[in-house]
Amino acid sequence: GAGVSQSPSNKVTEKGKDVELRCDPISGHTALYWYRQSLGQGLEFLIYFQGNSAPDKSGLPSDRFSAERTGGSVSTLTIQRTQQEDSAVYLCASSSDRVDYEQYFGPGTRLTVT
Amino acid sequence: AQSVTQPDIHITVSEGASLELRCNYSYGATPYLFWYVQSPGQGLQLLLKYFSGDTLVQGIKGFEAEFKRSQSSFNLRKPSVHWSDAAEYFCAVGPFSGGYNKLIFGAGTRLAVHP
Repeated sequence: GAGVSQSPSNKVTEKGKDVELRCDPISGHTALYWYRQSLGQGLEFLIYFQGNSAPDKSGLPSDRFSAERTGGSVSTLTIQRTQQEDSAVYLCASSSDRVDYEQYFGPGTRLTVT
Repeated sequence: AQSVTQPDIHITVSEGASLELRCNYSYGATPYLFWYVQSPGQGLQLLLKYFSGDTLVQGIKGFEAEFKRSQSSFNLRKPSVHWSDAAEYFCAVGPFSGGYNKLIFGAGTRLAVHP
């Protein structure tokens, strides 16, 4: 079946502009995660959604970052007033509610803030 | 604090040679451990995972990893590397909590393979 998809694949924006990144998880997966991968860094957890529970936003680096998940499926990560340090690859992952915890990752969105 | 350390940033091996990528973790409870691979321009793919039981786990593409609790390590191995194994490898640790698994990743090891 279809995997996790993300759009756009690349985004170049000017400093100070807002951006929206989209994630379509695998159908039926109840959990959705956003990670950020900066150049030369590992993956940094940003936010997690599980079903109808309140999201875990503990990884969001500032209040310029927010995310929502509509209808328990598609998620949008929004970055307001982008800064150059926001340049990174943003990865989305989803998993089922089985106890194997495998997270399936999308190809990512490469964000460049100029 | 929970953390994952991959001591080697870059590793270069010859095709056909054996490979070992190191991973050390710091975690207060019994860890769930993962190795992911990221090929250029691709998302992350799970190679293998350890939850419990046999400490030597087999994964895809001929990879295996051994969990050593006494050393807090989960090193990834492959007996004979192929050129297509050139990629970046990430070790990760996660908790067991009702199906929720926020993964903590190491910084990654970039593998180059010489012909």
